[in-house]
Amino acid sequence: GAVVSQHPSWVICKSGTSVKIECRSLDFQATTMFWYRQFPKQSLMLMATSNEGSKATYEQGVEKDKFLINHASLTLSTLTVTSAHPEDSSFYICSAFRGPGIAEAFFGQGTRLTVV
Amino acid sequence: KNQVEQSPQSLIILEGKNCTLQCNYTVSPFSNLRWYKQDTGRGPVSLTIMTFSENTKSNGRYTATLDADTKQSSLHITASQLSDSASYICVAFSGGYNKLIFGAGTRLAVHP
Repeated sequence: GAVVSQHPSWVICKSGTSVKIECRSLDFQATTMFWYRQFPKQSLMLMATSNEGSKATYEQGVEKDKFLINHASLTLSTLTVTSAHPEDSSFYICSAFRGPGIAEAFFGQGTRLTVV
Repeated sequence: KNQVEQSPQSLIILEGKNCTLQCNYTVSPFSNLRWYKQDTGRGPVSLTIMTFSENTKSNGRYTATLDADTKQSSLHITASQLSDSASYICVAFSGGYNKLIFGAGTRLAVHP
């Protein structure tokens, strides 16, 4: 199946610093990518929808100035957590849509962010 | 309101046994339904994807069913293995909004 690569798989950063997470679709072009956040033993929560060449659409309650999303190409979307705080520690997962026809969603491996 | 509900929340079975996970969805417009397996600390991996016209689809020891009239789906796992221990997530795709609606998942533990 199609491959979505997410990097890094884990990162530890200090409070106040920024962290960038990359999501790449390796063998298909993805006009739409999604960013999720997952707390332990909970379901994935959609943070934002990233469309290539346009501004991301954020879900209610997600601070767009804190979670910067860039989708500069059809194979790359990035999520930057700015001025990270310990409460931002979580598991972040991206997914990329492959269409047309029956749209299939492929997920990255996830990034474990720990803010100390 | 679009939502997906899964049951049970968690399940423990012995290796070699079968089990069935349930999913009820209220999604409009509905395009298709997917089951994913998520190992701890990993991204979800697709098991099956079913449109409203499909009733049953198998992927190895995994068999998914879909009843579009009652808006219910099930995932049956046959002859469970220790490696089946994971969270199983039912996801409905609303094509009209290009959105995935996630269930909370069922955490399955297979014990020897």
